[in-house]
Amino acid sequence: AQSVSQHNHHVILSEAASLELGCNYSYGGTVNLFWYVQYPGQHLQLLLKYFSGDPLVKGIKGFEAEFIKSKFSFNLRKPSVQWSDTAEYFCAVAGFQKLVFGTGTRLLVSP
Amino acid sequence: DTGVSQNPRHKITKRGQNVTFRCDPISEHNRLYWYRQTLGQGPEFLTYFQNEAQLEKSRLLSDRFSAERPKGSFSTLEIQRTEQGDSAMYLCASSSGTSGIFANEQYFGPGTRLTVT
Repeated sequence: AQSVSQHNHHVILSEAASLELGCNYSYGGTVNLFWYVQYPGQHLQLLLKYFSGDPLVKGIKGFEAEFIKSKFSFNLRKPSVQWSDTAEYFCAVAGFQKLVFGTGTRLLVSP
Repeated sequence: DTGVSQNPRHKITKRGQNVTFRCDPISEHNRLYWYRQTLGQGPEFLTYFQNEAQLEKSRLLSDRFSAERPKGSFSTLEIQRTEQGDSAMYLCASSSGTSGIFANEQYFGPGTRLTVT
């Protein structure tokens, strides 16, 4: 069965700092990968997705993620965070007709 | 707004009572999912519908839980004889389906927060 590990549970950054959130998945075959974000008081929203092709995928709000098959990783990055990026971030892998989520990373960006 | 909607947003109930939640998916989406999320965890899959057919249920879905999607439109999730351990956020999501076996991107509703006292 697929599983997802997010190693950083809480991250605190200052505005303009660079961000990288780790995500590792367990499934060795073809994978569809996702990053979702949940802003305070809001529902889960899709940030970006990887199905195939270019392993560097760009999402909304300046986020990007790199799929590295050999490392089973799909880390999320942003060169310069803003206070408005304060949220919880979830990595997910597509299982058979369902998504399998990691435990999430709470990001706090201080102004 | 044409996103996924869920009602009620909050539900407080006493242990042993039955509760029912409703989800209205994005209208053109034929796939509907229920997840449960507890504090400090990511969403966990409960069950999945393609049109009106319930195609998969998680082991998390005990006999006290039942879900329906009549006519392939809205869905309801009922919990009978609620227990304190049922306290969680119940999320609904929908997606457009293809013939592929892996899940596509899913669009989530705001959730129903259940508190069992």
